[in-house]
Amino acid sequence: DVKVTQSSRYLVKRTGEKVFLECVQDMDHENMFWYRQDPGLGLRLIYFSYDVKMKEKGDIPEGYSVSREKKERFSLILESASTNQTSMYLCASRIQGDGNQPQHFGDGTRLSIL
Amino acid sequence: AQSVTQPDIHITVSEGASLELRCNYSYGATPYLFWYVQSPGQGLQLLLKYFSGDTLVQGIKGFEAEFKRSQSSFNLRKPSVHWSDAAEYFCAVGAGYSTLTFGKGTMLLVSP
Repeated sequence: DVKVTQSSRYLVKRTGEKVFLECVQDMDHENMFWYRQDPGLGLRLIYFSYDVKMKEKGDIPEGYSVSREKKERFSLILESASTNQTSMYLCASRIQGDGNQPQHFGDGTRLSIL
Repeated sequence: AQSVTQPDIHITVSEGASLELRCNYSYGATPYLFWYVQSPGQGLQLLLKYFSGDTLVQGIKGFEAEFKRSQSSFNLRKPSVHWSDAAEYFCAVGAGYSTLTFGKGTMLLVSP
């Protein structure tokens, strides 16, 4: 089974802090994704990466950046955290190929910015 | 661009009753379609997917879904709901090498 591990289940940070959310997958998947999930809005794509050192903006990249230095790890960075970034963050990975391959999700990080 | 609509925000079903969750998509060609389930405090788990072939697909936990091109729909069904099925359900559409577009989810409540 694919295992996608997010380093923290719950995280509390202060406004203005630089925040790192880490995600690791163990199945040698090329593609990795970061979403945020908010009530009534579903999942919205922040950034994704097709392979190491590659990144693409998703639908809501403002205020975020990402890093993919190794294939198994995809980090989401909040450069200067703000209260409107309080949310559930979900990481996913997918094998490279046609879009019929499913994404596999971690358990999420619930981030609160005070 | 593709889009997904889940018309029902909440649905309540009695335990043992049948279930149908609706999903409508918008895309010009044959899409790849997925249903995911999210239990409280958890990530998303894949229930089933469709990309070609038989339009009725079987998934895990006794779920099935039917792709209807003429209606642009991919509704999820289960003949008899169990209390453990209470969760949020997401329909998603993908195409080619693109990312997935998710619906806003349907929360399923199961009454005794």
